[in-house]
Amino acid sequence: KNEVEQSPQNLTAQEEEFITINCSYSVGISALHWLQQHPGGGIVSLFMLSSGKKKHGRLIATINIQEKHSSLHITASHPRDSAVYICAVRSTGNQFYFGTGTSLTVIP
Amino acid sequence: GAGVSQSPRYKVAKRGQDVALRCDPISGHVSLFWYQQALGQGPEFLTYFQNEAQLDKSGLPSDRFFAERPEGSVSTLKIQRTQQEDSAVYLCASSLGGRGETQYFGPGTRLLVL
Repeated sequence: KNEVEQSPQNLTAQEEEFITINCSYSVGISALHWLQQHPGGGIVSLFMLSSGKKKHGRLIATINIQEKHSSLHITASHPRDSAVYICAVRSTGNQFYFGTGTSLTVIP
Repeated sequence: GAGVSQSPRYKVAKRGQDVALRCDPISGHVSLFWYQQALGQGPEFLTYFQNEAQLDKSGLPSDRFFAERPEGSVSTLKIQRTQQEDSAVYLCASSLGGRGETQYFGPGTRLLVL
């Protein structure tokens, strides 16, 4: 069983749609990261969360520590948002665990 | 300023060959991480350095894998006697402070072992 589970695995959306990607984890964590990986492999760190909510442009990330769940939202999605979104957690034992990613395709 | 760079970007090796993958972290970053990402999977942790000290190597899959960061900046991941199952993207990341801070990833080295 993976310590980090993401859903959905694949997502296709029309431009301007509101998108939600979910992440559940089973370990105690110090922080949760949302990463974006574009074709070709480059990874960009979007957010690091330990509680509450963060917003950056059209991206919003929330975390509920009690429920061991985080969501990444994209408002007014755009084709350039097409990428793989990866949820990763740093456990209280200082180990990193990664989800297998959600592949997002935004169609014009 | 430059981000994390890795070289080579692509490497094809014959089974049994030794390979060395290089990571140049962001200047001044204390922490450096290596990850292995198989096709269609999320990255998996290999090893962690704080300056020149390798504090965690629990993710290295076998004793054929060896990493070093002798001067606390550039790091090299060496794989000896490569096997086909070593084919993956090897990602390097660095962070300014300790292990819990935001990590900045390099573009990765795509290794194919034939």
